Amino acid sequence: DTAVSQTPKYLVTQMGNDKSIKCEQNLGHDTMYWYKQDSKKFLKIMFSYNNKELIINETVPNRFSPKSPDKAHLNLHINSLELGDSAVYFCASSQRSVAYEQYFGPGTRLTVT
Amino acid sequence: AQSVTQLDSHVSVSEGTPVLLRCNYSSSYSPSLFWYVQHPNKGLQLLLKYTSAATLVKGINGFEAEFKKSETSFHLTKPSAHMSDAAEYFCVVTTIGNQFYFGTGTSLTVIP
Repeated sequence: DTAVSQTPKYLVTQMGNDKSIKCEQNLGHDTMYWYKQDSKKFLKIMFSYNNKELIINETVPNRFSPKSPDKAHLNLHINSLELGDSAVYFCASSQRSVAYEQYFGPGTRLTVT
Repeated sequence: AQSVTQLDSHVSVSEGTPVLLRCNYSSSYSPSLFWYVQHPNKGLQLLLKYTSAATLVKGINGFEAEFKKSETSFHLTKPSAHMSDAAEYFCVVTTIGNQFYFGTGTSLTVIP
């Protein structure tokens, strides 16, 4: 069974479009995250939700909007896509406690043309 | 404030020789530390974690790391590299609130 899953795995779209990436975890965790990995492999946290409540909101353009319908899902919607949004986006989950590792999804490679 | 510095962006070793990937951290509190591995076009997999128990931590695939508070280091080692170890390795520090701070990664190449 897949612990953290993301769809789609690849997403190619044109500038100006709106797209969504979905994430689901079946680990019973109460916290979920979105990370962006750039072309140099640098990983930066974007958002974190705990029990459907936003707890981390890094400096991210407001074109990015996370939505958590329940504890097991955290979706990422991106409006008016730009070339610089091209990256790999990773979803992760954990039990919100110090020292608990995060489990990562396989990533979604977004290419904006 | 928390931060992580991975001292080498690229490391090359010959198959069968030891691996050393270096990580230094900065933390205002007692940290938890992790090493993750990312194989090409894959997600991140946990290798090992330090959570204030034993300072020498053993992980999967023969990797281990030693927490040295005096040196603020958490270097990753393996006695003998295998071709399948070629990947990107990330050191992570986390403290209160479980927010992850990633290092910039070390790319490991294993030469046959």
